[in-house]
Amino acid sequence: DTAVSQTPKYLVTQMGNDKSIKCEQNLGHDTMYWYKQDSKKFLKIMFSYNNKELIINETVPNRFSPKSPDKAHLNLHINSLELGDSAVYFCASSQDWLAGGPRRYEQYFGPGTRLTVT
Amino acid sequence: KNQVEQSPQSLIILEGKNCTLQCNYTVSPFSNLRWYKQDTGRGPVSLTIMTFSENTKSNGRYTATLDADTKQSSLHITASQLSDSASYICVVSALGPSGTYKYIFGTGTRLKVLA
Repeated sequence: DTAVSQTPKYLVTQMGNDKSIKCEQNLGHDTMYWYKQDSKKFLKIMFSYNNKELIINETVPNRFSPKSPDKAHLNLHINSLELGDSAVYFCASSQDWLAGGPRRYEQYFGPGTRLTVT
Repeated sequence: KNQVEQSPQSLIILEGKNCTLQCNYTVSPFSNLRWYKQDTGRGPVSLTIMTFSENTKSNGRYTATLDADTKQSSLHITASQLSDSASYICVVSALGPSGTYKYIFGTGTRLKVLA
């Protein structure tokens, strides 16, 4: 069974369009994340939700809006896509927000969504 | 500024050889350090997680070390296999001002193992 799944795996779209990427985890975790991996393979956190509440919101353009309908899902909606948004977007989950702390919970990553904006 | 730097940027070794990857960080306050393996086209997979008080952690042929005083970590791979070809990413977490943990990723080391 897939632990963290994302759809679609590939997304090609034109500048100015609005698109969504969906993420689901079946691990029963409380915390979910969105990361962006640029062309240099550098991963950077964008958002984190714990039990449907936003707990991390990095300096990300407000064209990016995460939505968590329940704690098993964290979707990413992007408005007015720009060329610079082209990247691989990874969803991840962990048992709770203390994964970064002394409890050392693992983060589980999805397979990624490669977004290409033309 | 919180930073994680890895070296070398890329590495090519022969199958069966050992290798060591380095990670230096300036993240503060330090919470924990992770090493991930990322195969091409896949998401990262956790190899080890270490907190401040741990200075070594093994996972099969992977052994990570942590020196919290010098803010350095290394990942040693023993008897490399072709399947070890991947990017290895060092990640340090820190407690942010809002009381949540932030993850600072290194740029990774791309390892290629040749037959």
